[in-house]
Amino acid sequence: DAGVTQSPTHLIKTRGQHVTLRCSPISGHKSVSWYQQVLGQGPQFIFQYYEKEERGRGNFPDRFSARQFPNYSSELNVNALLLGDSALYLCASSLGDTQYFGPGTRLTVL
Amino acid sequence: GQNIDQPTEMTATEGAIVQINCTYQTSGFNGLFWYQQHAGEAPTFLSYNVLDGLEEKGRFSSFLSRSKGYSYLLLKELQMKDSASYLCAPSRDDKIIFGKGTRLHILP
Repeated sequence: DAGVTQSPTHLIKTRGQHVTLRCSPISGHKSVSWYQQVLGQGPQFIFQYYEKEERGRGNFPDRFSARQFPNYSSELNVNALLLGDSALYLCASSLGDTQYFGPGTRLTVL
Repeated sequence: GQNIDQPTEMTATEGAIVQINCTYQTSGFNGLFWYQQHAGEAPTFLSYNVLDGLEEKGRFSSFLSRSKGYSYLLLKELQMKDSASYLCAPSRDDKIIFGKGTRLHILP
């Protein structure tokens, strides 16, 4: 069975640009969460979506937005990129309590 | 509050046993996860404790005391591949809050 998939794997952007990251959950999972992980830190919660509805939002500015599609895949959008947005962006899907992570998208902002 | 405290780094020897402690203060606590993360990779699920006590899964065991806000991960018969970061992560509602993780170094 396929796990959580994310695209792209790596991405390089410049300050002020915007980026869209994509995630496909494990088949049958209806909940998707997004996390940001900077080097040396644990993942920080950004958003959670369940059945296309936002269920939770972490302490991130409005430049960060997300949505979930009818097939439960999800997109994370970040506008007006800052150098500090450089990080590993992780998507996790869940059916019950346990979240299963995708491989992540490594975003570098120059 | 969502304070999570675990050691930054630990070192142990191949074949030995190591215990990684975690204390937390999380309002609306549901349960506690432990994840393993190798450098440059995504976290992988190890355990989830909801009730007090010890849960054993092969070489790995996890303990929880809800009243004390305390958990530990016990790794037995350490192997070189166990070199990784171990993330203590209490959950509230459906959200998982991660600590900074403990980097475990295994010496031959």
